[in-house]
Amino acid sequence: GENVEQHPSTLSVQEGDSAVIKCTYSDSASNYFPWYKQELGKRPQLIIDIRSNVGEKKDQRIAVTLNKTAKHFSLHITETQPEDSAVYFCAASKGTDKLIFGTGTRLQVFP
Amino acid sequence: GAVVSQHPSRVICKSGTSVKIECRSLDFQATTMFWYRQFPKQSLMLMATSNEGSKATYEQGVEKDKFLINHASLTLSTLTVTSAHPEDSSFYICSAELSGTEAFFGQGTRLTVV
Repeated sequence: GENVEQHPSTLSVQEGDSAVIKCTYSDSASNYFPWYKQELGKRPQLIIDIRSNVGEKKDQRIAVTLNKTAKHFSLHITETQPEDSAVYFCAASKGTDKLIFGTGTRLQVFP
Repeated sequence: GAVVSQHPSRVICKSGTSVKIECRSLDFQATTMFWYRQFPKQSLMLMATSNEGSKATYEQGVEKDKFLINHASLTLSTLTVTSAHPEDSSFYICSAELSGTEAFFGQGTRLTVV
């Protein structure tokens, strides 16, 4: 079955710097790659997603890139702010199939 | 966006008792819902896929007799933790998907077994 690996597990950046989180997946049939942000004790919230027919997607300070050949995708956050501090999860799935989550990255943005 | 409501948000129960957690899609019909378990500072581990009108599909290592899932309608799935023990204490969270689009999560249920 699908296996999703995520790195790094923790990431500390200074406010205003960029943050990059990387994920790799094992099943070449996966075609949907969402990123979720989870604040302490709260539900995960979708922040951006990408499908396999697209190589890059951007939404204001957040962007996701996908390399299907290498089977990896990355989340890029620019101009980080303290409110970006949270745990970020990547995930992969095939169409309407179950989402398989990465292990999570705890991002801390210091003022 | 779509709303998924999970109840209760917190529950404390005695060891040996059973606890039922509800997951409702409030403004859309969900033929499939998913149940996850999350330990502190860890990822969301898929426990089972709940299918409306049929048996749930459990992930490897998840005891189907301990974690009973019922999906009797297009808007409600329930997870019952039977004969709960302290090691079952965790954060349980459900999700439902609008076909082919993002998954919407419930608020989660923090279960503490004493």
